[in-house]
Amino acid sequence: QSALTQPPSASGSPGQSVTISCTGTSRDFDNFNYVSWYQHRPGKAPKLMIYEVTKRPSGVPDRFSGSKSGNTASLTVSGLQAEDEADYYCSSSAGSYNYVFGTGTKVTVL
Amino acid sequence: QVQLVQSGAEVKKPGASVKISCRASGYTFTSYYMHWVRQAPGQGQAIEWMGITKAGGGITKYAQKFQGRVTMTSDTSTNTIYMELSSLRSEDTAVYYCARDGVGGNVFDYWGQGTPVTVSS
Repeated sequence: QSALTQPPSASGSPGQSVTISCTGTSRDFDNFNYVSWYQHRPGKAPKLMIYEVTKRPSGVPDRFSGSKSGNTASLTVSGLQAEDEADYYCSSSAGSYNYVFGTGTKVTVL
Repeated sequence: QVQLVQSGAEVKKPGASVKISCRASGYTFTSYYMHWVRQAPGQGQAIEWMGITKAGGGITKYAQKFQGRVTMTSDTSTNTIYMELSSLRSEDTAVYYCARDGVGGNVFDYWGQGTPVTVSS
């Protein structure tokens, strides 16, 4: 099972927006509604930011939004803040009890 | 609040086994499944799903890659999930995480802090 493809890095100035892509095959997105995104800051546990493509868990700012088109899912962070600097990983369900993650994108706030 | 606390870093020799624990608190332990994933060191390394187990017993599923080498168990007396990986090789050097299976599809809603495992002779 190959990993989902993400750009290695993305950056933006405070207040700007950044969009991270996550590309796979149709097999990787077995259930097109089951895409999630995770934020991972150094030394911290990863944190769920988006699930089921567009849903935000309680406590996640609405600056974070998700979308999907074909075999590419995207995470957009609007109004970038210094605290958003982290690695971000996408994940998809590739079938029953088969999960695949992305290669990760390092977001830098300039 | 939900907390998953993992055991500390491990250094193992090739061929040995490692057993990592994940102690859960802040929710009803037996109502949720737990995933195990890992991430090898280095930029661009994807997180790799290893398997899932039901706390307190029930369905346990392993990724095909780890079949025969991984065992996931739970202890309801201590609210702890264990993951044991045997026949270690250098490629198993990674940070291992437990993550709770949340409501909905493909939801890893709470994660442990990670356990670094180094396999080296």
